[in-house]
Amino acid sequence: QQQVKQSPQSLIVQKGGISIINCAYENTAFDYFPWYQQFPGKGPALLIAIRPDVSEKKEGRFTISFNKSAKQFSLHIMDSQPGDSATYFCAASIGDSNYQLIWGAGTKLIIKP
Amino acid sequence: DSGVTQTPKHLITATGQRVTLRCSPRSGDLSVYWYQQSLDQGLQFLIQYYNGEERAKGNILERFSAQQFPDLHSELNLSSLELGDSALYFCASSTGRGTDTQYFGPGTRLTVL
Repeated sequence: QQQVKQSPQSLIVQKGGISIINCAYENTAFDYFPWYQQFPGKGPALLIAIRPDVSEKKEGRFTISFNKSAKQFSLHIMDSQPGDSATYFCAASIGDSNYQLIWGAGTKLIIKP
Repeated sequence: DSGVTQTPKHLITATGQRVTLRCSPRSGDLSVYWYQQSLDQGLQFLIQYYNGEERAKGNILERFSAQQFPDLHSELNLSSLELGDSALYFCASSTGRGTDTQYFGPGTRLTVL
């Protein structure tokens, strides 16, 4: 019940296309859902995050869509660029008292020029 | 630059040996997390410290131990090293309060020969 399932494992998208990465969870107590971006040889960095009181959050070309009833959330990258090629991790956590992220397995995204 | 520092950047050692990885958190952050990332794998949470005390434990082997010192830097000790311990080890820090962002260091690449 603590798992976050992420798909696909890898994704190849043409430049200018839309990249979509999906995550699903079971624990309804999760109330914070961040996405992290990791470039080769670097540590992950927070990209965008959402709480379940909203269904969508957009920051530039990056959008999180959240479906509370389906217990799913996804990352959409619009107008994907070669510089977006990276590994993307979704995660989930519960509340304030014992902050610990439960991580998805990661998606390796390649944007073809 | 996340503000989290890790040393050394690279470490090559032999099976059966013991190594210590060091992490200095961002200024003001009280919480430190350790992660292991094997080649093309996801992030495996090892352990979390908050203000010197262990707060959460993940998939950390008994051969591994960690501590956080009064100045808030942390060390991860890996002993009786095996070939399978070869990985990137990341440290992250956060304020440790609520659902705050984890800031990752550049990682230590450990190679066990």
